[in-house]
Amino acid sequence: KQEVTQIPAALSVPEGENLVLNCSFTDSAIYNLQWFRQDPGKGLTSLLLIQSSQREQTSGRLNASLDKSSGRSTLYIAASQPGDSATYLCAVRGYSGAGSYQLTFGKGTKLSVIP
Amino acid sequence: ETGVTQTPRHLVMGMTNKKSLKCEQHLGHNAMYWYKQSAKKPLELMFVYNFKEQTENNSVPSRFSPECPNSSHLFLHLHTLQPEDSALYLCASSQDPASYNEQFFGPGTRLTVL
Repeated sequence: KQEVTQIPAALSVPEGENLVLNCSFTDSAIYNLQWFRQDPGKGLTSLLLIQSSQREQTSGRLNASLDKSSGRSTLYIAASQPGDSATYLCAVRGYSGAGSYQLTFGKGTKLSVIP
Repeated sequence: ETGVTQTPRHLVMGMTNKKSLKCEQHLGHNAMYWYKQSAKKPLELMFVYNFKEQTENNSVPSRFSPECPNSSHLFLHLHTLQPEDSALYLCASSQDPASYNEQFFGPGTRLTVL
């Protein structure tokens, strides 16, 4: 059974700092990996989707990498801003049988960017 | 209105009540999902629908009853819930359940069971 771990559980940084969030997964047979942002009490906003054949994806100040063989992904946030404060979730898509592809989520990293 | 919408945004119900959560997607997708997010636990997939047909039920108790009348609408009917069912219920949609398609999420319904 796939398990996704995100470290650290919480992170507090001063504004302007570059930071890295980590995600690891136990089963490397994944189809893709997705990073989401969740604001308190709100739904999920998709940030980046990396297919299993890709090594990284970039969107603005965000860069996500994927090392499928080692079961790791990182989300790099450059020049952090207070508006980046949220919980960041990592999810991997794997085959769960009978034509079904499930997303398995980590518990998230709660990021606070201090002005 | 665009994206995935959910109503109500907040719901408080007693254990003997019957209520329904509604999800609507305006993205032209064919697959819809219900997830449960409990405090300090990862999101858990509950149900998957593809072209109105349920394709996955992740051992969800029968007190949760999904309904998908068409590809744009998804309901979750609730009855005789327990306090431990209190959680954020998220709906999502994607073009289809295939491996490479991105899922888009609604804002969720915060459910409290008294």
